[in-house]
Amino acid sequence: AQRVTQPEKLLSVFKGAPVELKCNYSYSGSPELFWYVQYSRQRLQLLLRHISRESIKGFTADLNKGETSFHLKKPFAQEEDSAMYYCALTIQGAQKLVFGQGTRLTINP
Amino acid sequence: DVKVTQSSRYLVKRTGEKVFLECVQDMDHENMFWYRQDPGLGLRLIYFSYDVKMKEKGDIPEGYSVSREKKERFSLILESASTNQTSMYLCASILDPGHKEYGYTFGSGTRLTVV
Repeated sequence: AQRVTQPEKLLSVFKGAPVELKCNYSYSGSPELFWYVQYSRQRLQLLLRHISRESIKGFTADLNKGETSFHLKKPFAQEEDSAMYYCALTIQGAQKLVFGQGTRLTINP
Repeated sequence: DVKVTQSSRYLVKRTGEKVFLECVQDMDHENMFWYRQDPGLGLRLIYFSYDVKMKEKGDIPEGYSVSREKKERFSLILESASTNQTSMYLCASILDPGHKEYGYTFGSGTRLTVV
């Protein structure tokens, strides 16, 4: 079975500092990985996916198959980045997403 | 924009009551999902449906059932509510697996409290 682990429930950094939210997964095949974000009083929404290799709001994430990781990074944190972040996994052809436990990121001024 | 609408933002129900949570999407999506969101546990899949009248169990289906009589509506039913079902419930939809790159669209959630 697929599993996603986010080892940090809470992460607090100062504005302007680098941010890294960790995500590890277990799946023997080729997964599709995503990061979702939920800002205060807003809906859960897609932040980025590994297939597109894009940078959204300054965030990037690289899929490391050797370490089975998909960490989310941003070089300079901003206060508006404060939110709940979920890493999620699915497999090709499957409909359902498997989510990690989530990390609450707080950016201090 | 795709809209996923959950009929209630907050619900308070008594133990033993039968509870219906409704979800409607307006973009003809085939796949719909019900998750519950709990602190420290993340989102856990309860049930999903890939077509009208079709349903599949997720990871935590016990105590729940679902109904999908029309493509746009996916209902979650708590047959006999219990206090351990107090949670935030999220509905989501997606066109089909080939469109996962666009992401799942989530509703705003229903916070259910069972007393």
